[in-house]
Amino acid sequence: DAGVTQSPTHLIKTRGQQVTLRCSPKSGHDTVSWYQQALGQGPQFIFQYYEEEERQRGNFPDRFSGHQFPNYSSELNVNALLLGDSALYLCASSLVRRTLDSGANVLTFGAGSRLTVL
Amino acid sequence: RKEVEQDPGPFNVPEGATVAFNCTYSNSASQSFFWYRQDCRKEPKLLMSVYSSGNEDGRFTAQLNRASQYISLLIRDSKLSDSATYLCVVNIHGSSNTGKLIFGQGTTLQVKP
Repeated sequence: DAGVTQSPTHLIKTRGQQVTLRCSPKSGHDTVSWYQQALGQGPQFIFQYYEEEERQRGNFPDRFSGHQFPNYSSELNVNALLLGDSALYLCASSLVRRTLDSGANVLTFGAGSRLTVL
Repeated sequence: RKEVEQDPGPFNVPEGATVAFNCTYSNSASQSFFWYRQDCRKEPKLLMSVYSSGNEDGRFTAQLNRASQYISLLIRDSKLSDSATYLCVVNIHGSSNTGKLIFGQGTTLQVKP
């Protein structure tokens, strides 16, 4: 049973460029969330996709956009890259549940894409 | 003020020691709570959920105090393999019930021989 897979694992870009990161969720999962983790910090929520729509968004500018495809996979796009965008970008998948039990929304993370902006 | 606050540490303890991590959260709408573990340059992995009644998983005990908006993790008989960063996490459920996880900065634990 494949877990969450992300690509590429590492990439280097220069300021002003654009980047696309890709994520395939764990088999059976239907929701994808994206997180940014700067060095020494906890993951910061970017946004979440379910049924091909952005459902929730964190405090990130419009330069950060995404997409979810019918097969539940997802892309994260970042335009006009800044030095401060250098981070580990984590994709996490989960299964929407209709009941608010405490086991709901447990995320499975991918290994991440490490972006360096020069 | 951060939504989830943790002491970043590092906590340096000898093998066999008992160590406790604390965490506070600011959003009273938080509805479920977790501890995740993250090894160096790896992805976070779920360690355990946290319930109001307190719960235990082997050497690990988690407690939640909703009135004080406070979460704790106790590790007994520390092993070298417990060295990692421990992330306090709250789940704020959205209108679609999909929720989003809010992470603390993480507390680094280093267990020494």
